Amino acid sequence: AQTVTQSQPEMSVQEAETVTLSCTYDTSESDYYLFWYKQPPSRQMILVIRQEAYKQQNATENRFSVNFQKAAKSFSLKISDSQLGDAAMYFCACSGAGSYQLTFGKGTKLSVIP
Amino acid sequence: NAGVTQTPKFRVLKTGQSMTLLCAQDMNHEYMYWYRQDPGMGLRLIHYSVGEGTTAKGEVPDGYNVSRLKKQNFLLGLESAAPSQTSVYFCASTKLDGELFFGEGSRLTVL
Repeated sequence: AQTVTQSQPEMSVQEAETVTLSCTYDTSESDYYLFWYKQPPSRQMILVIRQEAYKQQNATENRFSVNFQKAAKSFSLKISDSQLGDAAMYFCACSGAGSYQLTFGKGTKLSVIP
Repeated sequence: NAGVTQTPKFRVLKTGQSMTLLCAQDMNHEYMYWYRQDPGMGLRLIHYSVGEGTTAKGEVPDGYNVSRLKKQNFLLGLESAAPSQTSVYFCASTKLDGELFFGEGSRLTVL
């Protein structure tokens, strides 16, 4: 079983600036995956980035990167050079490698200020 | 490439009515899921399936039933709808590396 906590219900960032979204998790699994999903107003869930827990190297996808601190059970998302299209709800999620059931946090609403 | 398709996209029901949401995926995924999304609650797992003919309960299964008669389809049923089931429902499927592919969601309103 997993729990995922996102402590920032809302955040805002100036266009072109950098913002970090926080996520902490807890799991009894020894092998697991961590994800950040983006949900724009269209409602579609879009995978932003994923991290395998056994990998020490932090995942990156273009302007998106994570800071994965396994001992602290922390998985924050950094968005660099923020764009208007980044405005959305962002969900952190955790999945056990054997169960493949995602447990989601409650989400962080990100606003981008022009 | 359709991915995961949900029907219907929108539905309004009266209390006590029944309905079925259909999820279809064309990626030959073994695992399929139904989630509900409510404001301030994130996504919560209702039921899931690890293969054709198998289903299991998730975090919030009460008031829902599911069936997986064909590998590509996962049906979510409400036998007697209640206002508390007003929500946005998402279907998802996965190949065996944890990444979920989501449908576009189905907005259900129960009056």
